[in-house]
Amino acid sequence: TQLLEQSPQFLSIQEGENLTVYCNSSSVFSSLQWYRQEPGEGPVLLVTVVTGGEVKKLKRLTFQFGDARKDSSLHITAAQPGDTGLYLCAGVRDNQFYFGTGTSLTVIP
Amino acid sequence: GAVVSQHPSRVICKSGTSVKIECRSLDFQATTMFWYRQFPKQSLMLMATSNEGSKATYEQGVEKDKFLINHASLTLSTLTVTSAHPEDSSFYICSAPNPGQGYHEQFFGPGTRLTVL
Repeated sequence: TQLLEQSPQFLSIQEGENLTVYCNSSSVFSSLQWYRQEPGEGPVLLVTVVTGGEVKKLKRLTFQFGDARKDSSLHITAAQPGDTGLYLCAGVRDNQFYFGTGTSLTVIP
Repeated sequence: GAVVSQHPSRVICKSGTSVKIECRSLDFQATTMFWYRQFPKQSLMLMATSNEGSKATYEQGVEKDKFLINHASLTLSTLTVTSAHPEDSSFYICSAPNPGQGYHEQFFGPGTRLTVL
């Protein structure tokens, strides 16, 4: 059983659509990160959120940390084919690093 | 920014042989590194924590005699897959904590694709 569950697991959308990926847990984390991974490469850090309720924006990507620091969401506005990849959330708890189950996103031109 | 490299990026070997994968932190020291295994379109599964100067800590279900980890220096950890079998074929990724952020961020290597024939 994974500590962090992501939904949806797979997502295929048309270019220009909006989407939200969720990362949920029953545990509290001291921080949470979002990574994007392309096939055959290692994950690349997108953002780190630390404070409950924190919202961070990275161009068309909006990240939110839940008030109770148990969950997070990633919202992409006007998705582009370049957004295609595996999105992974990861939480830090008691100096341990836990990965989410992953969301595979495909943006169709 | 800090960089983690892996070598080789791809390796194909025959069943029964051993394969060594290197993970290097290029511009920072890493007393701890992590080794992950990943299947297509799935998340990373932590295999073990590599500790410089001491034994690695393995996750439950990971055979320590099959996946040998050596943290030889503050910039190098190696994973050796011994007597490899086709079921060991996978994408192996290492990471090291960002020294400026502790365990709150990880730098990942580019991964090694292992194919066992």
